[in-house]
Amino acid sequence: QKEVEQNSGPLSVPEGAIASLNCTYSDRGSQSFFWYRQYSGKSPELIMSIYSNGDKEDGRFTAQLNKASQYVSLLIRDSQPSDSATYLCAVNFILTGGGNKLTFGTGTQLKVEL
Amino acid sequence: DGGITQSPKYLFRKEGQNVTLSCEQNLNHDAMYWYRQDPGQGLRLIYYSQIVNDFQKGDIAEGYSVSREKKESFPLTVTSAQKNPTAFYLCASSINRDSHQPQHFGDGTRLSIL
Repeated sequence: QKEVEQNSGPLSVPEGAIASLNCTYSDRGSQSFFWYRQYSGKSPELIMSIYSNGDKEDGRFTAQLNKASQYVSLLIRDSQPSDSATYLCAVNFILTGGGNKLTFGTGTQLKVEL
Repeated sequence: DGGITQSPKYLFRKEGQNVTLSCEQNLNHDAMYWYRQDPGQGLRLIYYSQIVNDFQKGDIAEGYSVSREKKESFPLTVTSAQKNPTAFYLCASSINRDSHQPQHFGDGTRLSIL
């Protein structure tokens, strides 16, 4: 069973702080990793994708991937109240019989407090 | 604007009734997906389609059916055999099924039982 694990939170950070969201996955052979943001009652929105070990930065967001340890994280710098949402980690697993499957974690709820 | 359109936004089903959720995309994407989201759970894959006139079961296909007669359209029918249909249904698409291609979501349909 391919699994993606996230702490459900809520993770509370003060405005302006760095929020750190973590995700672990079960399959060492996974190649593609995505972070989605989901506001309450809305659909997921892609915010970051990462495929290689190391860091990838996009504005206030940094995705970090460590394939040896099987974890991927998302850092949000200068957190704003508008960042308050649930963040879903998604990992694309390669299937034994061919093809691939995107598996989602249950999400971490982030609350940015004034 | 390019995107994925789901309709209706809210849908109510009576006992023994089949209902169909619409999903249309104008992104020229080959692959389309249907997910179900329940509170506190990750997204679960119902069906997916890689090309026109072809579709595959996901993890929870029982009680659901789909068709892919046109590239742009991937409707989902929730049949009376689905005993617990109340959920948030999300349609997604990607350029193709390559594992590096991210999936993008429509706004979702909330289905409830009357």
